[in-house]
Amino acid sequence: AQSVSQHNHHVILSEAASLELGCNYSYGGTVNLFWYVQYPGQHLQLLLKYFSGDPLVKGIKGFEAEFIKSKFSFNLRKPSVQWSDTAEYFCAVNAYSSASKIIFGSGTRLSIRP
Amino acid sequence: DVKVTQSSRYLVKRTGEKVFLECVQDMDHENMFWYRQDPGLGLRLIYFSYDVKMKEKGDIPEGYSVSREKKERFSLILESASTNQTSMYLCASSLRDTSNTGELFFGEGSRLTVL
Repeated sequence: AQSVSQHNHHVILSEAASLELGCNYSYGGTVNLFWYVQYPGQHLQLLLKYFSGDPLVKGIKGFEAEFIKSKFSFNLRKPSVQWSDTAEYFCAVNAYSSASKIIFGSGTRLSIRP
Repeated sequence: DVKVTQSSRYLVKRTGEKVFLECVQDMDHENMFWYRQDPGLGLRLIYFSYDVKMKEKGDIPEGYSVSREKKERFSLILESASTNQTSMYLCASSLRDTSNTGELFFGEGSRLTVL
C-alpha cells in the first residue's frame, strides 16, 4: 500500500534559521505531490504543489520543495524562517491521478522561537 | 474567494447518539471529502463523493455514513457515536479536472467530543 512518511514530528527553530522538512513516499508510478500548511486555528491550505516539469517548485511565503524521483522524496525548504511560520505542515501524495487516492503524511509541527 | 463551510466548529455528544456533520462548498466542485485528523496520524480519508448521490469508501469508513443529495452539500453521519470517534473532522472539496487532481480546499474543521 502507498504511504507517506514525515519523519520529523516536531521541529523547533529560532527565527532566521533555515528549514528543511522531510517527506518520503512509497509508490513507483506517476505522482502529484503537495505540501499543505495549517496555521493555528486556521484551515488547511495549499503551500505548493508538483505535477510535472521543473522538480524545484516554489510556493507561497518563500517556501520551496524539491522532487527527487530517485529518492521518492519531496522535501520542503525555506532559507530563513519567521515566527509566523509556526504551523503544522503536511505532505500529501496523489497516486494514480485519482482524486480519491490522496494520502497524507502524519504532519510536522513547526515551532519558531522569536 | 473559495469557501468550504462546516456547520459546527465544536460538538459534544454522548455515546450512542446520532451525529450529523454538515459541509457546504460554494465553488461548484464535483468532488467532496470527509477526513478525520488525529495527532500523529495525519489526515485519514473516511468517505469521498465524486458526484451527487455517488460515494466511495475511504480508508476508515467503519462507523460512518455519508449523504450527498445536492452538489454543494456533503454530510457525514455517525449512526451511533462512540468515544473512539472523538476527533477533528475536516471537509474538503476539489475539481474533478485531473489537471488539478489533489488540490483540496478545506473547511475549518469540526471538533467532535464523544463522552
